[in-house]
Amino acid sequence: QVQLVQSGAEVRKPGASVKVSCKASGYTFTAYPIHWVRQAPGQRPEWMGWINTGNGNTIYSEKFQDRVTFTSDTSATTVYMELSSLRSEDTSVYFCARPRQYIDWLLDFWGQGTRVTVSS
Amino acid sequence: DIVMTQSPDSLPVSLGERATIKCKSSQSVFFSSNNNNYLAWYQQKAGQPPKLLIYWASTRESGVPDRFSGSGSGTDFTLTISSLQAEDVAVYYCQQYYSSITFGQGTRLEIK
Repeated sequence: QVQLVQSGAEVRKPGASVKVSCKASGYTFTAYPIHWVRQAPGQRPEWMGWINTGNGNTIYSEKFQDRVTFTSDTSATTVYMELSSLRSEDTSVYFCARPRQYIDWLLDFWGQGTRVTVSS
Repeated sequence: DIVMTQSPDSLPVSLGERATIKCKSSQSVFFSSNNNNYLAWYQQKAGQPPKLLIYWASTRESGVPDRFSGSGSGTDFTLTISSLQAEDVAVYYCQQYYSSITFGQGTRLEIK
């Protein structure tokens, strides 16, 4: 069965960086992109971008373009999201999600989420 | 970006009664070449990721109870729960996938 398992909660100081992992299993890793979505407390989910796990190409939301990097390790079937220059407003739960086959923007499998807290 | 606006923000409904949630997009999410509305509905319970309920505005995801239904086209959409069950208490989000991905602000469904 499809599973996306994310790394554990992180606490960072403002200005630092954080790297979150998302290990995929139960399907052909390179056949599907992985999206990243974050959700601040009590807020709507916010799309950050995606990575094509087949060729490493990325598309980033304009909001995060300058601060986020997605990478993919095919041998480990793992995708990484690194966010830099953290500020308090980045305190959120970060999710990775896999889309439906042939519908690249419809998210139907989600990781459990990784809580990132930014606090001095 | 396409802005998604839901109403109401909070909805108290008695068990067994109908719940209706509205979603409006700032521009049409209908793609005429395949006759599909790029609109999905998700259910999110506390501490969990969103769960896909409905896509193409009205196609129910496998395993989702048939009391959940979606309707609408263009810019106006509705999620209906025909007979509210206790396990339906959650926040519901609409999401467009016509142009990138954006979510509505959510509707908190609670038991009256």
